[in-house]
Amino acid sequence: DSGVTQTPKHLITATGQRVTLRCSPRSGDLSVYWYQQSLDQGLQFLIQYYNGEERAKGNILERFSAQQFPDLHSELNLSSLELGDSALYFCASSPTGQPNNEQFFGPGTRLTVL
Amino acid sequence: AQSVTQLGSHVSVSEGALVLLRCNYSSSVPPYLFWYVQYPNQGLQLLLKYTSAATLVKGINGFEAEFKKSETSFHLTKPSAHMSDAAEYFCAVSDSGTSYGKLTFGQGTILTVHP
Repeated sequence: DSGVTQTPKHLITATGQRVTLRCSPRSGDLSVYWYQQSLDQGLQFLIQYYNGEERAKGNILERFSAQQFPDLHSELNLSSLELGDSALYFCASSPTGQPNNEQFFGPGTRLTVL
Repeated sequence: AQSVTQLGSHVSVSEGALVLLRCNYSSSVPPYLFWYVQYPNQGLQLLLKYTSAATLVKGINGFEAEFKKSETSFHLTKPSAHMSDAAEYFCAVSDSGTSYGKLTFGQGTILTVHP
């Protein structure tokens, strides 16, 4: 158990819908990351937050947005969903968000768009 | 931009045999390098990391990796494979020249261990 929790574990929805994925980091970790894992793209970095502020952005679609709240949990919002958004979405956390930090990964949320 | 190449999407070994998973990176600045393992239906777990200290890094479960700057490689090895090592392995790099922790991952190598 990494100490990172993600809900829900599975999500099935239809095209055009909007969903919210939730992540709680390890106790004491200030930085949260979101990654997308799909068969065709592999593991891709989406976005990083540190203590409530956005720190780095990857190839995150404009239809996707995220935030980190004062209690340090994070949410990833996916809107106008398309079939191609079906993937495993991982949240990870690290103590300071620096590049030499180990990132602790949650179990993931499997999103299926029908 | 950084990139990671893992040679061989599938590697198969016999139990007790040497495990060698290859990783080459491309980076304009000295990188930090990581190996993660993913078991079915689970998140990623760190095996080991290189952060510019010793070039030979020892990790969990008997794995180790050697950073070779001249070859831009960070191959993962284990002297004797165990059935429980069957999983997918990811090599990843982060940029030591920034304050961002984002990881760039290779495509992954699925390790199969035969009895």
